[in-house]
Amino acid sequence: EAQVTQNPRYLITVTGKKLTVTCSQNMNHEYMSWYRQDPGLGLRQIYYSMNVEVTDKGDVPEGYKVSRKEKRNFPLILESPSPNQTSLYFCASSQTAANEKLFFGSGTQLSVL
Amino acid sequence: DQQVKQNSPSLSVQEGRISILNCDYTNSMFDYFLWYKKYPAEGPTFLISISSIKDKNEDGRFTVFLNKSAKHLSLHIVPSQPGDSAVYFCAAKISGTYKYIFGTGTRLKVLA
Repeated sequence: EAQVTQNPRYLITVTGKKLTVTCSQNMNHEYMSWYRQDPGLGLRQIYYSMNVEVTDKGDVPEGYKVSRKEKRNFPLILESPSPNQTSLYFCASSQTAANEKLFFGSGTQLSVL
Repeated sequence: DQQVKQNSPSLSVQEGRISILNCDYTNSMFDYFLWYKKYPAEGPTFLISISSIKDKNEDGRFTVFLNKSAKHLSLHIVPSQPGDSAVYFCAAKISGTYKYIFGTGTRLKVLA
């Protein structure tokens, strides 16, 4: 089954403790991206990657890092999480950067205490 | 500043009737517009899209209209079904980039 898989689904952590949210897709998609969803703000793009080793900032990249060492994986790294990063995170992929149809994962609810 | 706005947080429609979801944008540099549907505890799923050079795109019960002069996008669902109850997000792609701007979503409730 074609899918985008995020782990974990839920995560509670404390301020400053480094964490990684994993994202993997099995569709051989070139383009991957990360979003956060906050009440009243919709989905905001954090980072995106057009292919292996090619990443760029979205609208809200501060406090986040990403890497794209393999085509299928696009982890989101929070080196020193803060409470304002408490949010619902979605990973998405599409066949190419020019293909607008995004496939989303089921989301990761992160709480930073 | 929110460049893509969905001013109606919620909408209720009777089953079988038309649902119209609206989206306004402030930036003329968008080249693609999309609608996504989201059920609770799931990620958004792609519904329909339209290029900025078109004014209408249809796919089964779903039609998207684009009025460039008014900077307005709408999604029509006819006939509405209870399974259409979800949150709908409109999104726009910034021309020349791979950045997407999403609206805040409209919760549609279709009453049986």
